[in-house]
Amino acid sequence: EADIYQTPRYLVIGTGKKITLECSQTMGHDKMYWYQQDPGMELHLIHYSYGVNSTEKGDLSSESTVSRIRTEHFPLTLESARPSHTSQYLCASSGPWISDTQYFGPGTRLTVL
Amino acid sequence: GDSVTQMEGPVTLSEEAFLTINCTYTATGYPSLFWYVQYPGEGLQLLLKATKADDKGSNKGFEATYRKETTSFHLEKGSVQVSDSAVYFCALSDLDDYKLSFGAGTTVTVRA
Repeated sequence: EADIYQTPRYLVIGTGKKITLECSQTMGHDKMYWYQQDPGMELHLIHYSYGVNSTEKGDLSSESTVSRIRTEHFPLTLESARPSHTSQYLCASSGPWISDTQYFGPGTRLTVL
Repeated sequence: GDSVTQMEGPVTLSEEAFLTINCTYTATGYPSLFWYVQYPGEGLQLLLKATKADDKGSNKGFEATYRKETTSFHLEKGSVQVSDSAVYFCALSDLDDYKLSFGAGTTVTVRA
């Protein structure tokens, strides 16, 4: 069983609030990822990291930011939430090889009113 | 760039029916191929994978064979159950940066 955790699972907030979505893994993986999943279920990579102090933007432009100060922790922050940020956010991690499985957290469902 | 094209859903089946979800890919070289499954309210989990041509991945009665000549990785199960109702994603790992490219997902509903 994968040991990757996301909190909160559900979040409803008002426009303009600052939020941080937490993601932690206990597998010692260097690679971590954030995906945004739209209502049609399609997945879009918004951020990734290949190790401490390494962060890159993904294929889908996002107003969110990430940090990677510790191997196990990869939080995502929205400085000022808007209704367009309403979505499901999935965090994942993987080992170093191309054939390695990505392990996913349970997701955070964010609703911005 | 690398990409995955997956059969559109939704797919609705009766219990014990045969399921196939088509997946084709475009990539340079020899990517690894994956099928992930997402049950309602959960994150994705690996269903099966194959890392080289002609490899067959299998798990929980599902199978998929890495076909380089047709650039395909179709998912099959001979007899589905209600518990197989989920969204299924085909994916490949990019050779340059190891990121996963996902298909759009296929929603499968199995009725009793």
